[in-house]
Amino acid sequence: NAGVMQNPRHLVRRRGQEARLRCSPMKGHSHVYWYRQLPEEGLKFMVYLQKENIIDESGMPKERFSAEFPKEGPSILRIQQVVRGDSAAYFCASSPDTEAFFGQGTRLTVV
Amino acid sequence: QQQVKQSPQSLIVQKGGISIINCAYENTAFDYFPWYQQFPGKGPALLIAIRPDVSEKKEGRFTISFNKSAKQFSLHIMDSQPGDSATYFCAASIIGTASKLTFGTGTRLQVTL
Repeated sequence: NAGVMQNPRHLVRRRGQEARLRCSPMKGHSHVYWYRQLPEEGLKFMVYLQKENIIDESGMPKERFSAEFPKEGPSILRIQQVVRGDSAAYFCASSPDTEAFFGQGTRLTVV
Repeated sequence: QQQVKQSPQSLIVQKGGISIINCAYENTAFDYFPWYQQFPGKGPALLIAIRPDVSEKKEGRFTISFNKSAKQFSLHIMDSQPGDSATYFCAASIIGTASKLTFGTGTRLQVTL
């Protein structure tokens, strides 16, 4: 059983470009969570999705950020018009109920 | 308040020693308290977790102590090994939304020979 798969592992974007981060949950997991980790800080919750539904987006910035988890395919975290402050590691976690299993993250660098 | 406060920020322990990391929370609705271990370039991995109906949980060399009245919990790593060198995060959540975690700021542990 493969773990949570995130790609790309590293992503470099120029200011103003769009960043798309993908997450495939573990087989059988229907809950996906996105977290952001700034350098030397803990992870901050962004959004919780189930298939085709956003359950809780209380941690998402109001502008430029969006997330989806379609019926088929991976969950996508999309950041439009990236700025330098978006540079961080973005982690996806999937869960069958209680325990969260994290992917290896996508490290976004905005230049 | 949703914060989870973690200390110390960094810790150096000799091989064979005991590593102790402390966390405190404010939200009394929290009822699930996991600890995660993270190596550089990797995602966090669940180490051990506790619910507030017990005061201690032990798994191998790792023990969580939980004090509900003080709203504090701690991780003890017995017989610390160089392979334990990593960043440790405490977290808290509410059962029912157990994977919506509030993380502490992390403790960078270095175990020396």
